[in-house]
Amino acid sequence: DQQVKQNSPSLSVQEGRISILNCDYTNSMFDYFLWYKKYPAEGPTFLISISSIKDKNEDGRFTVFLNKSAKHLSLHIVPSQPGDSAVYFCAPSEPAYMKTSYDKVIFGPGTSLSVIP
Amino acid sequence: AAGVIQSPRHLIKEKRETATLKCYPIPRHDTVYWYQQGPGQDPQFLISFYEKMQSDKGSIPDRFSAQQFSDYHSELNMSSLELGDSALYFCASSLIAGGWYTQYFGPGTRLTVL
Repeated sequence: DQQVKQNSPSLSVQEGRISILNCDYTNSMFDYFLWYKKYPAEGPTFLISISSIKDKNEDGRFTVFLNKSAKHLSLHIVPSQPGDSAVYFCAPSEPAYMKTSYDKVIFGPGTSLSVIP
Repeated sequence: AAGVIQSPRHLIKEKRETATLKCYPIPRHDTVYWYQQGPGQDPQFLISFYEKMQSDKGSIPDRFSAQQFSDYHSELNMSSLELGDSALYFCASSLIAGGWYTQYFGPGTRLTVL
């Protein structure tokens, strides 16, 4: 049972435009969400996170939006750059005090972003 | 800033040999996670340690074992290696504090079994 879904396996965007990557989840206990970026044969790199007490978190070109009622979050990259081309993973987490199985990162297929120069 | 260190970065072994992968977490991080990424596959969680105790276990073969030491570094021991063990092995660390925490990943160790 997939608790995290990124329904777009790939996305192509022109350089300078906005990239929007979406993520849906089913577990209402998730209260912290992370986005990772991964290049082939390299370790995932932490990008940005958001806790459930917020609906938006911004860090430079990256903004993550959280809609708790819809169990949906999205990552916006503006402006997109060719170096952003990578696979992006949405990774949810349960509260640390619970220490259940979702303190590990569950990797799905992610979304492969290609930014075209 | 200090990152997660993994050693070695590359390792070549023969079938049925043993291998030991090492992970040095970010200073003051108390939790270590191990992941395996096979060719063309997504990273899969293997095992994690919190304050030197095993905290969670995923799809780790019985031939593999791991531990976290008093200095918080961790080692993944792999015995009776099989061709299918060839993969990228990632270690991640986090600090369980304040209710929320972020995992930071190392660069990975590429294991090739011949």
